[in-house]
Amino acid sequence: ETGVTQTPRHLVMGMTNKKSLKCEQHLGHNAMYWYKQSAKKPLELMFVYSLEERVENNSVPSRFSPECPNSSHLFLHLHTLQPEDSALYLCASSQVRTTGEQYFGPGTRLTVT
Amino acid sequence: AQTVTQSQPEMSVQEAETVTLSCTYDTSESDYYLFWYKQPPSRQMILVIRQEAYKQQNATENRFSVNFQKAAKSFSLKISDSQLGDAAMYFCAYRKNTGNQFYFGTGTSLTVIP
Repeated sequence: ETGVTQTPRHLVMGMTNKKSLKCEQHLGHNAMYWYKQSAKKPLELMFVYSLEERVENNSVPSRFSPECPNSSHLFLHLHTLQPEDSALYLCASSQVRTTGEQYFGPGTRLTVT
Repeated sequence: AQTVTQSQPEMSVQEAETVTLSCTYDTSESDYYLFWYKQPPSRQMILVIRQEAYKQQNATENRFSVNFQKAAKSFSLKISDSQLGDAAMYFCAYRKNTGNQFYFGTGTSLTVIP
């Protein structure tokens, strides 16, 4: 595997389900991110984990909870989601204290029914 | 707060022609980075080009170049000799020199006409 991988690529879940999205980066980076991408909206930063900071977007509902067990893995745990949570969820990684461009995974297309 | 504005939701260009995508941003910082990302349909977002704000020279990557106007807070992307594979959503992004938060625009959908 190379770059940033995400599983699953597609997920359909009911509002009462619990599921998790997984992200793994193979680039040796030390920062990882979750974004929500909805049509005609800017990418919404949800969470950042890095050596220097953990950032949580205060507007993200508590039904989304991140977990970052190490610098290569990032999870997004989902529970009791709403239909408006349907979107493309992108994971990214970067190396802090450099130019810091982000490398993105292919995303998980989430549909909440 | 930092904001990034892409005023062109959709653009089209004839194959082999040149197209310019606009981006403006708002910041009170003097040191920062600007990026253009490309997201082809149903494919991964990839970095196209990067500009450091402290550099006066405009960045160039093969057929892609930027026009960075720091005073005007403008960062446009020029694609020369457009190819069918250039068709994608293009996102402009900003990052402060410190911290890891990126701010993205809403994107410009580029169509390349054969």
